[in-house]
Amino acid sequence: NAGVTQTPKFQVLKTGQSMTLQCAQDMNHNSMYWYRQDPGMGLRLIYYSASEGTTDKGEVPNGYNVSRLNKREFSLRLESAAPSQTSVYFCASSPGLAPDTQYFGPGTRLTVL
Amino acid sequence: AQSVTQLGSHVSVSEGALVLLRCNYSSSVPPYLFWYVQYPNQGLQLLLKYTSAATLVKGINGFEAEFKKSETSFHLTKPSAHMSDAAEYFCAVSPGNTGFQKLVFGTGTRLLVSP
Repeated sequence: NAGVTQTPKFQVLKTGQSMTLQCAQDMNHNSMYWYRQDPGMGLRLIYYSASEGTTDKGEVPNGYNVSRLNKREFSLRLESAAPSQTSVYFCASSPGLAPDTQYFGPGTRLTVL
Repeated sequence: AQSVTQLGSHVSVSEGALVLLRCNYSSSVPPYLFWYVQYPNQGLQLLLKYTSAATLVKGINGFEAEFKKSETSFHLTKPSAHMSDAAEYFCAVSPGNTGFQKLVFGTGTRLLVSP
């Protein structure tokens, strides 16, 4: 079972470059999420999509945009990358009904120089 | 609003020793509580969750956690550590009601297991 897949696994950008992180799930989940993980800070929610057709800001949305392309896919875009966006990015999905278990992808390690 | 505090960014135990990872929560409504584990270079996976059915929750790999409302705690334990338990552990909370919910994660505790 694929579960939640993310591409790419690694990426190095220069300051000011743009890129899109892709995420797809094959579990027919309603809700999808993007997190960033930084040392000592746990996981912080960037954006989420409670259901197909909706997106909302999380705790740290500045510098990011998202698109819920369809029920399966949820992408995260960095329009003008900054060194502060160097992080590990995780996509997750969940059925969307309480109590909700989130299922995580393997992550994308992004370095911005 | 919900929040989680994990005491100790690192915990070291010997193989065979008791594992105790601490988690205290704050929630304005009865919560749902979760423990996730992250092995090196992987995503998070669910260990166990409390959903008000029983205060002692058993999870995978021999872990369990007890919900104590009076102490606002949900500590994770395992009687005997194994080398394969070395990982980072995250406690998370969400409001214990119906409908869509977001998780709030703690900052994580890295478990180190020595031979």
